[in-house]
Amino acid sequence: NAGVTQTPKFQVLKTGQSMTLQCAQDMNHNSMYWYRQDPGMGLRLIYYSASEGTTDKGEVPNGYNVSRLNKREFSLRLESAAPSQTSVYFCASSIIADTDTQYFGPGTRLTVL
Amino acid sequence: SQQGEEDPQALSIQEGENATMNCSYKTSINNLQWYRQNSGRGLVHLILIRSNEREKHSGRLRVTLDTSKKSSSLLITASRAADTASYFCATDLDRGSTLGRLYFGRGTQLTVWP
Repeated sequence: NAGVTQTPKFQVLKTGQSMTLQCAQDMNHNSMYWYRQDPGMGLRLIYYSASEGTTDKGEVPNGYNVSRLNKREFSLRLESAAPSQTSVYFCASSIIADTDTQYFGPGTRLTVL
Repeated sequence: SQQGEEDPQALSIQEGENATMNCSYKTSINNLQWYRQNSGRGLVHLILIRSNEREKHSGRLRVTLDTSKKSSSLLITASRAADTASYFCATDLDRGSTLGRLYFGRGTQLTVWP
């Protein structure tokens, strides 16, 4: 099993450009999450999907949209990138949404110029 | 605001020594988890302790939880250079409306020198 995979690994955008970060898991987990990690800030939850067909905002949802395409895939879209969105983005999944153990992908390092 | 806060921010020790990291949190929880992150990698779950547990062991790891003080500690015994990483505590909140959400601290950077 690959676990949680994320693409791309690195991306550089110009201010105002859009892009979608892809995440997939092959563990048959119900819940999926998007976090951003900034130096000295720990991880902050952007959006999560407790189950297929549902999505909810986390702590820092502004400037982002998500799509739970199916049980395996959960994408994060930046419609108009801003320098403040320069960060490392992590996708995670868990079996069920009752604060079970979360399994993380390797991350996407995004720079917005 | 951060639900959990680790202390110290950085810890530097020699191989063979024990490493202790602490986590304090603000509100009632169902459980507390510890994760490890190697440089440039995603987080990896280490151990989970439930609010009705006081201590838990896993290999060289020992976690304690004191709900009265809203604090937890992670002890790594006989540390190795390979233990060098950032360690994060993560808590949920004991509220139904936030099920599925974990709140991470800023982490403790542990460096173990050979």
